[in-house]
Amino acid sequence: GAVVSQHPSWVICKSGTSVKIECRSLDFQATTMFWYRQFPKQSLMLMATSNEGSKATYEQGVEKDKFLINHASLTLSTLTVTSAHPEDSSFYICSAPSHSTGELFFGEGSRLTVL
Amino acid sequence: GQQLNQSPQSMFIQEGEDVSMNCTSSSIFNTWLWYKQDPGEGPVLLIALYKAGELTSNGRLTAQFGITRKDSFLNISASIPSDVGIYFCAGQNAGNNRKLIWGLGTSLAVNP
Repeated sequence: GAVVSQHPSWVICKSGTSVKIECRSLDFQATTMFWYRQFPKQSLMLMATSNEGSKATYEQGVEKDKFLINHASLTLSTLTVTSAHPEDSSFYICSAPSHSTGELFFGEGSRLTVL
Repeated sequence: GQQLNQSPQSMFIQEGEDVSMNCTSSSIFNTWLWYKQDPGEGPVLLIALYKAGELTSNGRLTAQFGITRKDSFLNISASIPSDVGIYFCAGQNAGNNRKLIWGLGTSLAVNP
């Protein structure tokens, strides 16, 4: 099946720094990718929809200046957590739909810990 | 955001037992999906349901799309230790950019 890969799988950073997470569709092109945040023992919460070549669409309550999304190519979307704080510590997951089947494939997730 | 009602929240069973979990929604969906998430991993699709009343199996897993299009259940027969994980249901409608509406998850523990 299609593969979506995230990098890094985990990252620890100091408060105030910015962290970039990459999401790649390895064997298919994705004009749309989704970014989720998941806190421990909770469900996935959609943060934003990343659109290739245009601005991302953010869900209500998600700060666009805090979580910068760039979808510069058909196989890569990036999420940058700017000026990270401890409350931003979470598991961030991306997904991308297969163009042929529409099935959503998920990345392995990226665990962010802000000290 | 909107979330689905998923129950039970957690289950602790003996190996070999059957498991059943379900999801309900106040609104209808065109597609119901069931995912499994292992610790520290992204969700993996188990079963996709596209038609009201549809009953689909994937090995020891069976899922049904409710006739009202507002509910779905997932059964796991003869559970084994590797079934441990969190199971999520998700609803999806055509259009709306393929957004998924997620259940809160069912945490399954299997005692060997």
